[in-house]
Amino acid sequence: EAGVAQSPRYKIIEKRQSVAFWCNPISGHATLYWYQQILGQGPKLLIQFQNNGVVDDSQLPKDRFSAERLKGVDSTLKIQPAKLEDSAVYLCASSLGQGVVNTEAFFGQGTRLTVV
Amino acid sequence: DQQVKQNSPSLSVQEGRISILNCDYTNSMFDYFLWYKKYPAEGPTFLISISSIKDKNEDGRFTVFLNKSAKHLSLHIVPSQPGDSAVYFCAATTYGGATNKLIFGTGTLLAVQP
Repeated sequence: EAGVAQSPRYKIIEKRQSVAFWCNPISGHATLYWYQQILGQGPKLLIQFQNNGVVDDSQLPKDRFSAERLKGVDSTLKIQPAKLEDSAVYLCASSLGQGVVNTEAFFGQGTRLTVV
Repeated sequence: DQQVKQNSPSLSVQEGRISILNCDYTNSMFDYFLWYKKYPAEGPTFLISISSIKDKNEDGRFTVFLNKSAKHLSLHIVPSQPGDSAVYFCAATTYGGATNKLIFGTGTLLAVQP
């Protein structure tokens, strides 16, 4: 079974530039998550999709971050404009569904973003 | 407000001995807890979980204990192996809630010395 795919693996940009990350979840997984992991901290949920609808985006800095999940499969996370404090690993995860049997989330390898 | 806390940033144990990783939580609504393991340059991988209706769950060398009154859980690895060296994250959620959002702790770096 293929895992969660993310690209790119690494990205270096200057502050005020824009950047986009892509995620392809495990086939059949209805729930997709984007997490931000700053060095030395645990992953923090930015946004959660159930199919192509947003379930939770309470911690997404909406003035600069946006995300979409077209057709309930792939997802993109965009930052525009980037700030130095956005330097982090951005993790995409997916799970079968919310409120059902499987709460376990499967993570991709992440995209390491460095803003200089 | 850190709802899930792992107060030990690092832990070093000898191969073959027991590793005990601790986690505390503050939100009494949490009723499902998970441990994830993370190697460098990889995403976290699920290790073991426990529901609040249990106080112990075992899977091979890994056992998680839950003390609801103390809002504390621990992961025991016996015997520890060098391949267990990784960062371990504790996570909590409200099972069947509106979002099943996972709240992660800050992680504990486990080093198992050969």
